Amino acid sequence: AQKVTQAQTEISVVEKEDVTLDCVYETRDTTYYLFWYKQPPSGELVFLIRRNSFDEQNEISGRYSWNFQKSTSSFNFTITASQVVDSAVYFCALSSDFTGANSKLTFGKGITLSVRP
Amino acid sequence: EPEVTQTPSHQVTQMGQEVILRCVPISNHLYFYWYRQILGQKVEFLVSFYNNEISEKSEIFDDRFSVERPDGSNFTLKIRSTKLEDSAMYFCASMRGNFYEQYFGPGTRLTVT
Repeated sequence: AQKVTQAQTEISVVEKEDVTLDCVYETRDTTYYLFWYKQPPSGELVFLIRRNSFDEQNEISGRYSWNFQKSTSSFNFTITASQVVDSAVYFCALSSDFTGANSKLTFGKGITLSVRP
Repeated sequence: EPEVTQTPSHQVTQMGQEVILRCVPISNHLYFYWYRQILGQKVEFLVSFYNNEISEKSEIFDDRFSVERPDGSNFTLKIRSTKLEDSAMYFCASMRGNFYEQYFGPGTRLTVT
């Protein structure tokens, strides 16, 4: 069985602070994908990143960075110099099947990030 | 940039009625999904669809639920005999192929009264 745990439920920061969103996952599969999605107040789910289990390199995209550590089964997301527009719910998700027909996503409960001006 | 679209954005129905939620996936995508999110909770998988048949379904997807891709572009979720607990945001997603990411539509908020 797959499981994604986002232990933080709500985080509030002041603009320009750095913030890290934690994600811990469980799977018995040796190959899998990890994802982060953003859900702004408007409600849609916006894809941010996909990482496969073979690639433990950290990734940086502008103010966003992701730290994947297989040893601790974690895939953490850091926002540097946060902005008010970053306020949203952030979901970590896991897919343990590389074949599209069964590649359902298992989501964590989400972290509500509030960035105050 | 191509995107997944869903209609309607909000659907209100009475308990016991049937509803059809519509989705237009991205045109060259091959895999299609429905998820739901009860207000304030996590997103849950309902069903995946590939090559005109269901690939996998969750325990939420009971006999009242069905999916269809009637014309090669639309992808629909039908819920018969709706219950109060069906009230949720329903997201459609599509994926281009193996090893790609799923793109989500904006969702349809279903309210069962």
